[in-house]
Amino acid sequence: GQNIDQPTEMTATEGAIVQINCTYQTSGFNGLFWYQQHAGEAPTFLSYNVLDGLEEKGRFSSFLSRSKGYSYLLLKELQMKDSASYLCAVEGSGNTGKLIFGQGTTLQVKP
Amino acid sequence: ETGVTQTPRHLVMGMTNKKSLKCEQHLGHNAMYWYKQSAKKPLELMFVYNFKEQTENNSVPSRFSPECPNSSHLFLHLHTLQPEDSALYLCASSQDGPGSGNTIYFGEGSWLTVV
Repeated sequence: GQNIDQPTEMTATEGAIVQINCTYQTSGFNGLFWYQQHAGEAPTFLSYNVLDGLEEKGRFSSFLSRSKGYSYLLLKELQMKDSASYLCAVEGSGNTGKLIFGQGTTLQVKP
Repeated sequence: ETGVTQTPRHLVMGMTNKKSLKCEQHLGHNAMYWYKQSAKKPLELMFVYNFKEQTENNSVPSRFSPECPNSSHLFLHLHTLQPEDSALYLCASSQDGPGSGNTIYFGEGSWLTVV
């Protein structure tokens, strides 16, 4: 079967660093996406990993280990506006590969 | 103007009504999608269209009927829905279809309440 696991909720303090983990078991692997979704809004693209390693983009970084079926999203210098849900999604392989989403992690940033 | 626009943003309908959700993408993409987002559940893929052709129906009940007249427009026709169909329905698009590694861009969603 296909399964993507993320923590349901996390809380962190403004200015701190938080790591959101994602583990996956899917039929094939073509890449892993992270999306951010504020309440009542559309998910917006944050990052895409297809090879092992760390991808850094400003305050946000995403890491992938394909052998371990594991990724994390690292948020630095947290701001109140970072309070949102963070969705991990894996794309299967081949031209029938679908984007499978995890349940999402709701992050609350406190002052 | 956002890349993917959906109307209406909110819809309340009775179980015997017929209504439609509309989606338009302004990104020149070839693939369009309908996703369902329910509380406490992962985003669920419903339908995929690639170059106007349906390439995926993820075992969706027939009370949901998609229509893709061209690569820029996607509809979801709704009839005789059930209260458990109440959810956020998200339209999305990507340059190429599933498996291509292309980023999927989402619309703001249509909040549907079935009473």
